[in-house]
Amino acid sequence: DVKVTQSSRYLVKRTGEKVFLECVQDMDHENMFWYRQDPGLGLRLIYFSYDVKMKEKGDIPEGYSVSREKKERFSLILESASTNQTSMYLCASSSPGGSYEQYFGPGTRLTVT
Amino acid sequence: AQTVTQSQPEMSVQEAETVTLSCTYDTSENNYYLFWYKQPPSRQMILVIRQEAYKQQNATENRFSVNFQKAAKSFSLKISDSQLGDTAMYFCAFMKHAYTDKLIFGTGTRLQVFP
Repeated sequence: DVKVTQSSRYLVKRTGEKVFLECVQDMDHENMFWYRQDPGLGLRLIYFSYDVKMKEKGDIPEGYSVSREKKERFSLILESASTNQTSMYLCASSSPGGSYEQYFGPGTRLTVT
Repeated sequence: AQTVTQSQPEMSVQEAETVTLSCTYDTSENNYYLFWYKQPPSRQMILVIRQEAYKQQNATENRFSVNFQKAAKSFSLKISDSQLGDTAMYFCAFMKHAYTDKLIFGTGTRLQVFP
């Protein structure tokens, strides 16, 4: 079974703090994704990576950055957390071609106060 | 740009009954993929069913089937013999045929199955 894990299920941070969200997958997938999920807005793509050290902006990259130093790990960084970044963050991975299925982690509920 | 619309924020169905969730999308592409993902209350999102646009036959996975109308850009999900475990958020998603597998999601439909 593909497993995608995220470092925290719940996280509470203060405004202005630097926040790291970690995602690890164990299926040697090339593609990894960070989404933000908000009620009534569905999932919106923040960043994705199709290879180590490669990244591309998604639909809502402002206020976020990412890092992918190893194939299995994809980190989302909030350089200076703000209250409007309070949300559920989902990580996913996939292998290009094939079934095109994305495998999701359990999510991190981030609250910025 | 592609968009995905789910017009039913919430739906409910009685156990053992059939329910249909609607999804429409907008694209100028001819070759693409459509998906339904399920997010149970425990939050881990899983794939329910997938449809390739070039296939005319509607996809089926056990109790889950789709009605894919390419000309109308409609992609509905039918759940037969609903079970309590089907209670979840359901997201429709579009993917242009591309190497990076980027998905565009709808806003979701919350389905509640009652005993």
